[in-house]
Amino acid sequence: GAGVSQSPSNKVTEKGKDVELRCDPISGHTALYWYRQSLGQGLEFLIYFQGNSAPDKSGLPSDRFSAERTGGSVSTLTIQRTQQEDSAVYLCASSPRVDARYGYTFGSGTRLTVV
Amino acid sequence: DQQVKQNSPSLSVQEGRISILNCDYTNSMFDYFLWYKKYPAEGPTFLISISSIKDKNEDGRFTVFLNKSAKHLSLHIVPSQPGDSAVYFCAASEMTGTYKYIFGTGTRLKVLA
Repeated sequence: GAGVSQSPSNKVTEKGKDVELRCDPISGHTALYWYRQSLGQGLEFLIYFQGNSAPDKSGLPSDRFSAERTGGSVSTLTIQRTQQEDSAVYLCASSPRVDARYGYTFGSGTRLTVV
Repeated sequence: DQQVKQNSPSLSVQEGRISILNCDYTNSMFDYFLWYKKYPAEGPTFLISISSIKDKNEDGRFTVFLNKSAKHLSLHIVPSQPGDSAVYFCAASEMTGTYKYIFGTGTRLKVLA
């Protein structure tokens, strides 16, 4: 597609429920990233995928968070047993190369609210 | 531990004047820096970058300055326009791992007409 597409744009969920957030990167972009922005915070790195290489999961805040990327394209971020501190805007981005000196292209994000 | 800091959460500037947004970092290994601009309900968009081998990079109305000894960079917008009103994030990375940027908390710029 023309840009990075994320769905849903908004998600309200009850504490303890699982949620799945989806990201469709720009066609042909081999690198995909997940970040999140909590209230009053910067963008926090979560996970990075590059081609068929093992993902860099060093930013995932707990084992309740997991992500996969199927077929080198679409990615899903799953949060199990959601907690109120998981409330944030989750941003997906992609870039055409590992060397992201030209920046990423971000999607519009999924605003997750855990009540 | 904030490795990238934007100490001004907001800034108001009159249209036509210069906007100066500041960013400080603590990690001396950072050697590549980006500025992003974010409008409400949209993802951040890439604005301008600078490598540590330079101390200035200019693109139209936008100029980024880097002071390595002070671990400080700034974004200058001249002249400021109402459409520049947005949240601006600086981000830093190490060249050897340029896929992982550390972002600041952002500065909300409001350009007054």
